[in-house]
Amino acid sequence: RKEVEQDPGPFNVPEGATVAFNCTYSNSASQSFFWYRQDCRKEPKLLMSVYSSGNEDGRFTAQLNRASQYISLLIRDSKLSDSATYLCVVNSDTDKLIFGTGTRLQVFP
Amino acid sequence: DTGVSQDPRHKITKRGQNVTFRCDPISEHNRLYWYRQTLGQGPEFLTYFQNEAQLEKSRLLSDRFSAERPKGSFSTLEIQRTEQGDSAMYLCASLGGAGGPYNEQFFGPGTRLTVL
Repeated sequence: RKEVEQDPGPFNVPEGATVAFNCTYSNSASQSFFWYRQDCRKEPKLLMSVYSSGNEDGRFTAQLNRASQYISLLIRDSKLSDSATYLCVVNSDTDKLIFGTGTRLQVFP
Repeated sequence: DTGVSQDPRHKITKRGQNVTFRCDPISEHNRLYWYRQTLGQGPEFLTYFQNEAQLEKSRLLSDRFSAERPKGSFSTLEIQRTEQGDSAMYLCASLGGAGGPYNEQFFGPGTRLTVL
């Protein structure tokens, strides 16, 4: 079983739609969590950290459920520029990052 | 540009050749990480350094792979006797301060390796 599991998609949604991505992790001792965004053939970039209380950044909302070892990302009012791969990431105790396979999002006009 | 840089950006080589990649982290960052990403997968951890000390290596890092960070600044990753399965994007990331659960790792643009 992979340490971080995501639905690879692709998710094809129209502009303006709301889309949600889910992720599960296997190590219950994990302490910190992130969503990274990766554009085609580019490096991953931090989209947002995920805190226990949940957090929001503009159109993006991240939630963490420690009991279920589940992380989610909600994107509201999707834009064409949101098209990318979204990587669910868990931090280890040595700060090495453990990535899911990524969920591909394609927003169409 | 004060971000993480990697060189070369692209490398095409023939099977059996040796290749070396370089990573220059953000100057004040003491931790440096190497990851490998194959098509359709997320990045996978290879190894990391704190200053010049290599503190952890993944099982993915076979004995054909060696990494160094001789002066605690830039790092090199060498692959000897390359195989087609080594074809991937090799990403470097740096982390500053004492680490900590929500410190951001900054990634370089990666070196894309193609082994023919």
